[in-house]
Amino acid sequence: NAGVMQNPRHLVRRRGQEARLRCSPMKGHSHVYWYRQLPEEGLKFMVYLQKENIIDESGMPKERFSAEFPKEGPSILRIQQVVRGDSAAYFCASSPYGTQNTGELFFGEGSRLTVL
Amino acid sequence: RKEVEQDPGPFNVPEGATVAFNCTYSNSASQSFFWYRQDCRKEPKLLMSVYSSGNEDGRFTAQLNRASQYISLLIRDSKLSDSATYLCVVIHSGAGSYQLTFGKGTKLSVIP
Repeated sequence: NAGVMQNPRHLVRRRGQEARLRCSPMKGHSHVYWYRQLPEEGLKFMVYLQKENIIDESGMPKERFSAEFPKEGPSILRIQQVVRGDSAAYFCASSPYGTQNTGELFFGEGSRLTVL
Repeated sequence: RKEVEQDPGPFNVPEGATVAFNCTYSNSASQSFFWYRQDCRKEPKLLMSVYSSGNEDGRFTAQLNRASQYISLLIRDSKLSDSATYLCVVIHSGAGSYQLTFGKGTKLSVIP
């Protein structure tokens, strides 16, 4: 049973370009979460999605960031017009239930974005 | 005050030592508590849940003190493989969902 798959593992972008990060949850998991981890910082919640729905985006920056989890295919975190401050590790996690049922999230290995 | 606070460390301990980490949380309505482990440049993984009555899993013991709003993790007989960053995690009701809030982590290095 494959774990949470994220790609790309490493992404380099120049300021102003777009970054697209993909996440395929574990089989049978319909809840997807995106977290951002800055160097020497903790994981910060960004967004929680179920298939075709954004449940909670209270951690998403108001501009340039968007996320989706379509009926078919992976969840995508999209960052438009990237700036140096967007450089971070972006972790996707999935769970079979919402987090009110269990605190266990299964994380992918992360996508490390570097903005030049 | 930060939502979840941890001593960042690093804690450098010899093999076989006992080490304890504390974590405090600010939201008194927090409902569930966990310890995750994150190896260097890897993803976090659930280590154990934390129950009000305290719980043990092998060499690891977790405690919760709701009145003082802190959580602890005790590691006995430290192994080299315990070297990692330990993340305190708290679940609380957020905007439209239950959110996991992570502490910054406490770094542990077990030395031969």
